[in-house]
Parts: sequence; C-alpha cells; structure tokens
Amino acid sequence: DAKTTQPPSMDCAEGRAANLPCNHSTISGNEYVYWYRQIHSQGPQYIIHGLKNNETNEMASLIITEDRKSSTLILPHATLRDTAVYYCIVVQGPGTYKYIFGTGTRLKVLA
Amino acid sequence: DAGVIQSPRHEVTEMGQEVTLRCKPISGHNSLFWYRQTMMRGLELLIYFNNNVPIDDSGMPEDRFSAKMPNASFSTLKIQPSEPRDSAVYFCASSKGTGMWELFFGEGSRLTVL
Repeated sequence: DAKTTQPPSMDCAEGRAANLPCNHSTISGNEYVYWYRQIHSQGPQYIIHGLKNNETNEMASLIITEDRKSSTLILPHATLRDTAVYYCIVVQGPGTYKYIFGTGTRLKVLA
Repeated sequence: DAGVIQSPRHEVTEMGQEVTLRCKPISGHNSLFWYRQTMMRGLELLIYFNNNVPIDDSGMPEDRFSAKMPNASFSTLKIQPSEPRDSAVYFCASSKGTGMWELFFGEGSRLTVL
C-alpha cells in the first residue's frame, strides 16, 4: 500500500474552511484515498473516500489532484467539535484489510 | 443502530494478571479487527477476523496475546500474563467487508497495567 504524508498539526479559525493536505505520491491506479478522524478519547470515525473524482458528503469534501499524488480534505465551516486527529489512508480496494493510519494531522479549531 | 460495543471502557490491573477485553461488532458485519493505540506506535492492527475466522494475526505482539471470535456477535482479546508495556487503548472495529467498506470503531478499552 502507498505511504501517505501529512503535516503534524494545523490550526483553523472557527467558521472558516479547514483544508487538510495529504501527499500520496506512490499511489497506484487501483488504490483509494480514505479519510478518518479521531476525536479525543474516541475511536476513529470514517469521513469520506475517493478514487480520482472529487467527492462531497455531509461532513466534508475531498479534492484529489489529477495525477492522484495528493489530496485535500475540506471541512467547509469548521466548528470546535471538528478538533481531532485526521488520518489520510490509501486503501487498495476489495480484499485489503491492513489500513495504515500513520500519525495524521492534529487539527485544532480556534474560537 | 448500536455501534461497535466494547467492554470494559477502562481496566486497571497489576502486572501478571489476566486481562480480557470484549467486543460486540455491528450486526451484519463479517469483518472484525482489533487495534492497539499508543503514543509511541500509533494505531496498530493486532488481528483480523473474517466470518469469525482469524485471517491475519501477525500483529499480535507476543504469545501472551490471544483473540477469539466464537460467533458473529462476539470477540475477545486476552492478555495473559499482562505487563506494564501492554498499557494502551485497545480498539475493536467491524466492517461489512474489506477494502472498500468503511471501518466502524468502538469507543475503545483503556488498559493500564501497574
């Protein structure tokens, strides 16, 4: 599975968009990009995933570059409850079970 | 719907004691995972079950660790004997399958071994 690189920490003002980058330059054609987040003292929570098209759901948007070597998770209007560690994971597809969570990005939303 | 249920939420024990952590996956999910999280090593996959069968236990650190899944609605992770370095948060997760399916995590069991 491809390795991902994320900044260790970011701050964002409440109400503003939070843009969390992820580098996955060794991603292969059949690998998906998944995002999870872990709020303090809770288990990780699924946010969104994509292959090559941009995706949006009720929680966030995922923008994947055309060459698929990087992606950005966008929380359009960050709230204090979005303070968490965000993990970008590359997943090979059906049959894959080893999700490598890495160290993630610690997002702090400031009031 | 109830999510993944883990018990106990917190466990404090003394070195050498047996520890049993329990997990009830989401009904209908056929994949179950046990993870361990520490500050030093992050989230590590310990063992993966598919349809109640252990598929990959290569992440289990030592023979002191064992896991079972006697049926589709219950799994245990046992540490015997426990050591201080086993102190961590242990998460159970389930999914409908592998790869494309999202993982649903429980709230975790925080283990402290004195």
